[in-house]
Amino acid sequence: KAGVTQTPRYLIKTRGQQVTLSCSPISGHRSVSWYQQTPGQGLQFLFEYFSETQRNKGNFPGRFSGRQFSNSRSEMNVSTLELGDSALYLCASSLGGVIVSVYEQFFGPGTRLTVL
Amino acid sequence: KNEVEQSPQNLTAQEGEFITINCSYSVGISALHWLQQHPGGGIVSLFMLSSGKKKHGRLIATINIQEKHSSLHITASHPRDSAVYICAVRLSGSARQLTFGSGTQLTVLP
Repeated sequence: KAGVTQTPRYLIKTRGQQVTLSCSPISGHRSVSWYQQTPGQGLQFLFEYFSETQRNKGNFPGRFSGRQFSNSRSEMNVSTLELGDSALYLCASSLGGVIVSVYEQFFGPGTRLTVL
Repeated sequence: KNEVEQSPQNLTAQEGEFITINCSYSVGISALHWLQQHPGGGIVSLFMLSSGKKKHGRLIATINIQEKHSSLHITASHPRDSAVYICAVRLSGSARQLTFGSGTQLTVLP
């Protein structure tokens, strides 16, 4: 089975722009979670989608949004980029279901976003 | 205080040594994950635990729910084990998201 894929792998944007990142989960996985990793804050949870519905959201401003499509692919969008949004953005997929904790997460390689 | 604390932050070992990385948490959890991150960013899930002990090759993970503590052990360490090891807990209740420790940078010297 192919693993989790993320596109693009690297991205450079300027302040004020917006960006859309894409994540394709492992075939059959219905849950996609997004994480931000920075040197200062480490890994932080952004949001989780299951069957096209946002199930959980982390403590990030409304500039960060996401969605999930019927084929479980997910996108996250960051509007009005700030310098502090420079980070590695990781998505992870799992089988999901009612008891989410049962299912192991498989991570993608990440998208490294640089905001100038 | 962070909800998930890892120790040590940095660890240097000689090839062949037995290594232990510790993780303590202060919240109710439904599961605990040990993750490995190599330079370049890719994260691999090593273990997901809700009780007891799991073993995979030279890696062993244990969890004590009552003491809110988990350990990751590496036996016969090898330079290819050099990576950042991250403990993450899945909160219990309605939140259920992963909360991460700050990671342990492990360097194994030949």
